[in-house]
Amino acid sequence: GAVVSQHPSWVICKSGTSVKIECRSLDFQATTMFWYRQFPKQSLMLMATSNEGSKATYEQGVEKDKFLINHASLTLSTLTVTSAHPEDSSFYICSGVLAGRNEQFFGPGTRLTVL
Amino acid sequence: QKEVEQNSGPLSVPEGAIASLNCTYSDRGSQSFFWYRQYSGKSPELIMFIYSNGDKEDGRFTAQLNKASQYVSLLIRDSQPSDSATYLCAGSGGTSYGKLTFGQGTILTVHP
Repeated sequence: GAVVSQHPSWVICKSGTSVKIECRSLDFQATTMFWYRQFPKQSLMLMATSNEGSKATYEQGVEKDKFLINHASLTLSTLTVTSAHPEDSSFYICSGVLAGRNEQFFGPGTRLTVL
Repeated sequence: QKEVEQNSGPLSVPEGAIASLNCTYSDRGSQSFFWYRQYSGKSPELIMFIYSNGDKEDGRFTAQLNKASQYVSLLIRDSQPSDSATYLCAGSGGTSYGKLTFGQGTILTVHP
């Protein structure tokens, strides 16, 4: 149980385009989802906290207009990287929190490469 | 000052030995601690979590928490080559309730 999926698993795009990444909790309802970014040989850095039905809370230094997060249902959150540039190339990972549990279940990640 | 710190390693141990991974944290309000294993190119997978002072054992893994010293550790007994990965320590609670604050990770290599 507590499975989280992400789509796509990898994406290559041209500079200036927008990319949408989906995060789904498959067998539980996630009232809260988190989005992380991980650069090579670095740890996970939290980008934002996404709560169903409300605006996401962004960490300091993360541009909310560039990284658009929508959490329209208890099983789906999306991250859209707008006007992507090569420096946005990274491994993006989401996680879902099971209500009442202080435990995050991670998706498999999406590798974004911006040319 | 980083909130969660780990020795980045790499830590190399022979097969069958005990691997000891350490983590310190600065937020005294942190309540829960998690150890994740991450293989190259994959997302983290949870190994164990610990809330209370003392030891918690699960198979070959033992997590230890000392809140007075703000110290968390993970022992891996009978280490196997398949244990070779990056181990991430994360804390939750305190000023970052619900969020996980990750350490930089320790690279573990178990050689045959």
